[in-house]
Amino acid sequence: DTEVTQTPKHLVMGMTNKKSLKCEQHMGHRAMYWYKQKAKKPPELMFVYSYEKLSINESVPSRFSPECPNSSLLNLHLHALQPEDSALYLCASSQEPSLASTDTQYFGPGTRLTVL
Amino acid sequence: GDSVTQMEGPVTLSEEAFLTINCTYTATGYPSLFWYVQYPGEGLQLLLKATKADDKGSNKGFEATYRKETTSFHLEKGSVQVSDSAVYFCALISGNKLVFGAGTILRVKS
Repeated sequence: DTEVTQTPKHLVMGMTNKKSLKCEQHMGHRAMYWYKQKAKKPPELMFVYSYEKLSINESVPSRFSPECPNSSLLNLHLHALQPEDSALYLCASSQEPSLASTDTQYFGPGTRLTVL
Repeated sequence: GDSVTQMEGPVTLSEEAFLTINCTYTATGYPSLFWYVQYPGEGLQLLLKATKADDKGSNKGFEATYRKETTSFHLEKGSVQVSDSAVYFCALISGNKLVFGAGTILRVKS
């Protein structure tokens, strides 16, 4: 089983709202990732968690706040977003704590976020 | 740094046509290479991978061979279907991160 699940599938929020995206994997993977994907573009890495600790933050604005409550769960808390933050947010996981050259990343179906 | 270059799309084919999507890479060392597929409105799915030179990855009728001499990992399928319409991303691992190509849109007409 190589399933990564994400909820919600779609989210519409105003610029003053606070919302959260959730991601879950039960493959025992040690690393989890958040990506942002704009239409017709490749995914852009936002955050990496390794052994439940934040290991990479790709200079993401503080209105995005990640959290890893345990080894299976990853959240992305959203606050005071801008319309340009509207995108598909993808979660991924991989076996090794840092993405080794022979490792594989598995992606979830994504959350389609619209900021009004 | 390491990078991936894919042929520009969109690629438009008729059903049962032969498909090639070109992918070349620049890398220090010999990273694993991947093809991911993204169907409309969905996330990325791993299509196939190869971990060393001359390896051939295959899945769902798609194939790609890791060619060290030409630094290429071209995706091929002998007979495409309408259901293969999607965006295809070539990728490699560099510095503990996935590096993606720009993606190639494939449209298959019936």
